[in-house]
Amino acid sequence: AQKITQTQPGMFVQEKEAVTLDCTYDTSDPSYGLFWYKQPSSGEMIFLIYQGSYDQQNATEGRYSLNFQKARKSANLVISASQLGDSAMYFCAMREGGTGGFKTIFGAGTRLFVKA
Amino acid sequence: GAGVSQSPSNKVTEKGKDVELRCDPISGHTALYWYRQSLGQGLEFLIYFQGNSAPDKSGLPSDRFSAERTGGSVSTLTIQRTQQEDSAVYLCASSPRQAREAFFGQGTRLTVV
Repeated sequence: AQKITQTQPGMFVQEKEAVTLDCTYDTSDPSYGLFWYKQPSSGEMIFLIYQGSYDQQNATEGRYSLNFQKARKSANLVISASQLGDSAMYFCAMREGGTGGFKTIFGAGTRLFVKA
Repeated sequence: GAGVSQSPSNKVTEKGKDVELRCDPISGHTALYWYRQSLGQGLEFLIYFQGNSAPDKSGLPSDRFSAERTGGSVSTLTIQRTQQEDSAVYLCASSPRQAREAFFGQGTRLTVV
């Protein structure tokens, strides 16, 4: 069965510093995708970054990078040069491909607080 | 609009009443998801539609919950005999087949009193 674990309910980071948000996953499907979404206080869900299970390189999107360690089944999000606007909930998600269909499940989330 | 549209944005209902929540996905998107998010919690998967395939209903919490998708487009999530624990934000998302991310609507905030 699919499972996503985010062990940090809350994180603090100083503005302009980097922060790592942890995510581990469990699946028996060799084909899967990993996602990170941001949810500000307004409630909208904003897609940040995607990593496919067969991708050789770690995904990067601007200040966001995904530290993909397949053997450890971890997909940590790294935010560089934190900004006050980065304060939000962050969700890790996984979607199985192949016979698992495209069902996507989400972790419990990590609330990030960026301090000025 | 070009995004996923959900209606109503807010719904207050009395315990025991039935409610219908509507989702208009982005045109052409074949996949549609429903999630539930309780206050301060993560997203709980409810149901997934992909084209003409049978929906994945594995996340529906009880037989009071049902969903349909007509003509491969608009979807309706129905909750019968609502309970106070059904109070949450119900999020709908859609994506093209083989796409990476899903695109979310703004959600329907359901309050059962």
